Amino acid sequence: DVKVTQSSRYLVKRTGEKVFLECVQDMDHENMFWYRQDPGLGLRLIYFSYDVKMKEKGDIPEGYSVSREKKERFSLILESASTNQTSMYLCASSLWNKGQGADGYTFGSGTRLTVV
Amino acid sequence: DQQVKQNSPSLSVQEGRISILNCDYTNSMFDYFLWYKKYPAEGPTFLISISSIKDKNEDGRFTVFLNKSAKHLSLHIVPSQPGDSAVYFCAASGNQFYFGTGTSLTVIP
Repeated sequence: DVKVTQSSRYLVKRTGEKVFLECVQDMDHENMFWYRQDPGLGLRLIYFSYDVKMKEKGDIPEGYSVSREKKERFSLILESASTNQTSMYLCASSLWNKGQGADGYTFGSGTRLTVV
Repeated sequence: DQQVKQNSPSLSVQEGRISILNCDYTNSMFDYFLWYKKYPAEGPTFLISISSIKDKNEDGRFTVFLNKSAKHLSLHIVPSQPGDSAVYFCAASGNQFYFGTGTSLTVIP
């Protein structure tokens, strides 16, 4: 089974802190994604990566950056956390860049981040 | 600009009855569609998909219907079970995946 593991289930950080959210997948997928989920807004794409050291902005990249130094690991960085970044963050991976195939994307369990 | 819309934020259905979740999209170039199911404090999990060359795909109690002319897809769950209570997201594939806002389904025992 493909596994996508997010290192923290719950995080509480202070405004202005630098925050790292880590995501690791074990199926050698080329493509990895970071989404945030907010009530009434669904899943919104923050950043994605098609290969090591490659990154592309999604729909809402402001206030975030990413790092992909190894194929299996995709990190989301909040340079200076703000209260409007309180959200559920979901990492996903896929074999094809459109996620086409039997099951599209495989998601991690999510990190609930609260910025106070 | 929401390219995939789920206009019903919530739906309640009696156990054993049919649940119908709807999804509309705006881009006629979308060619692959999926439904994901999400429980609280968990990531979404794949449920069922359909390619634009089909108009129906069935997997057990779950059936997805695609109406390309109306840019509409729907998920039917028959019979509904209490364990189906979750948030359901539809997604459409363009140059990336676009997700709807989700519909929270409650199946009442």
